[in-house]
Amino acid sequence: KAGVTQTPRYLIKTRGQQVTLSCSPISGHRSVSWYQQTPGQGLQFLFEYFSETQRNKGNFPGRFSGRQFSNSRSEMNVSTLELGDSALYLCASSPSYGGGQPETQYFGPGTRLLVL
Amino acid sequence: AQKITQTQPGMFVQEKEAVTLDCTYDTSDPSYGLFWYKQPSSGEMIFLIYQGSYDQQNATEGRYSLNFQKARKSANLVISASQLGDSAMYFCAMREQGGSEKLVFGKGTKLTVNP
Repeated sequence: KAGVTQTPRYLIKTRGQQVTLSCSPISGHRSVSWYQQTPGQGLQFLFEYFSETQRNKGNFPGRFSGRQFSNSRSEMNVSTLELGDSALYLCASSPSYGGGQPETQYFGPGTRLLVL
Repeated sequence: AQKITQTQPGMFVQEKEAVTLDCTYDTSDPSYGLFWYKQPSSGEMIFLIYQGSYDQQNATEGRYSLNFQKARKSANLVISASQLGDSAMYFCAMREQGGSEKLVFGKGTKLTVNP
């Protein structure tokens, strides 16, 4: 079974631009979560989606948004990029959502975004 | 609020020896899951091992085992017979039961395996 895929793997943008990152979960997985990883802040939760609905959102400004499609694929968008948005963006998928027993999240290889 | 603490920024171990990476957590939820992930320099987070709060036995997965001490709120990762390929960042993470898939991560420990 193929793992979580993320595209693109690397991206260079300039301040003020916007960017869209894509995530395809493991086949059969219906929940997708996004994380931002920076050297200073570590791994921070951005948002999660299940059944095309955003279920939870981390403490990020409204410039960060996302969506999930009917096939469970997800995209995240960052508008008006700032230098501080340079980071590794990781997507993770799990089979379902909010179950009684925590399920393992499997991560993709990430997208490295550099904002100049 | 959930919190994960990894107090070892860096650890060194000789090849073929065992190493323990520390993780303590804080939560008021009686039901939760604890995870360990490995992140090589390539960036991908690789799932290693999982421990549920109600699991009676410590989790094991090949060379990885989890020393779970619930009363002390610690979930240390033990890697036996270290290999050069084990050199990476290791993250401890927690998810509380129900309502969200959100993982809270520690700051990580950089493990270096010396030949």
